[in-house]
Amino acid sequence: NAGVMQNPRHLVRRRGQEARLRCSPMKGHSHVYWYRQLPEEGLKFMVYLQKENIIDESGMPKERFSAEFPKEGPSILRIQQVVRGDSAAYFCASSLPLTEPDYEQYFGPGTRLTVT
Amino acid sequence: AQSVTQPDIHITVSEGASLELRCNYSYGATPYLFWYVQSPGQGLQLLLKYFSGDTLVQGIKGFEAEFKRSQSSFNLRKPSVHWSDAAEYFCALYGNKLVFGAGTILRVKS
Repeated sequence: NAGVMQNPRHLVRRRGQEARLRCSPMKGHSHVYWYRQLPEEGLKFMVYLQKENIIDESGMPKERFSAEFPKEGPSILRIQQVVRGDSAAYFCASSLPLTEPDYEQYFGPGTRLTVT
Repeated sequence: AQSVTQPDIHITVSEGASLELRCNYSYGATPYLFWYVQSPGQGLQLLLKYFSGDTLVQGIKGFEAEFKRSQSSFNLRKPSVHWSDAAEYFCALYGNKLVFGAGTILRVKS
């Protein structure tokens, strides 16, 4: 059973370009979460999605950032007009529905975004 | 509000010595608590979790953690550290979302 997959693993963008980060959850998982890890900091929650629905986006910056989890295909975190401060590691996690008693999020290897 | 504090940014221990990493949390109800480990350039791996029941939780790689409600703590322990344990360790709490501490970097000296 493949784990959570993220691609690309490393992404370099110039200021003003767009960054698209992809996350394929574990098989059978319908819940996806995105986190951002700035240098020397812990992970910060960004957004929680189910298929075709955004459940909680309280951690998403109001501008330039968006996320989707379509019915088919991976979840996408999109950052428009990137700035240097967007340089970070972006982690995706997936889980079963939260009503499951053995709640756990499984993390992907992350995408390291560098903005030059 | 929910928050997690890891007071120690760096810890250095000798190989074979015991280890305790501190974690304090703030949450109004009984939390779900987790410890994750992150090796350089890698994702997070779950070491152990506490939901309810026995307050001493056993995890992978010989780690254990004890939930102490009176102290709002969930400290991670290992009786004998191996060089391969060098990594960054994150304590996390799930209330209505997963909240992480800032992490503790463990260095192991031989």
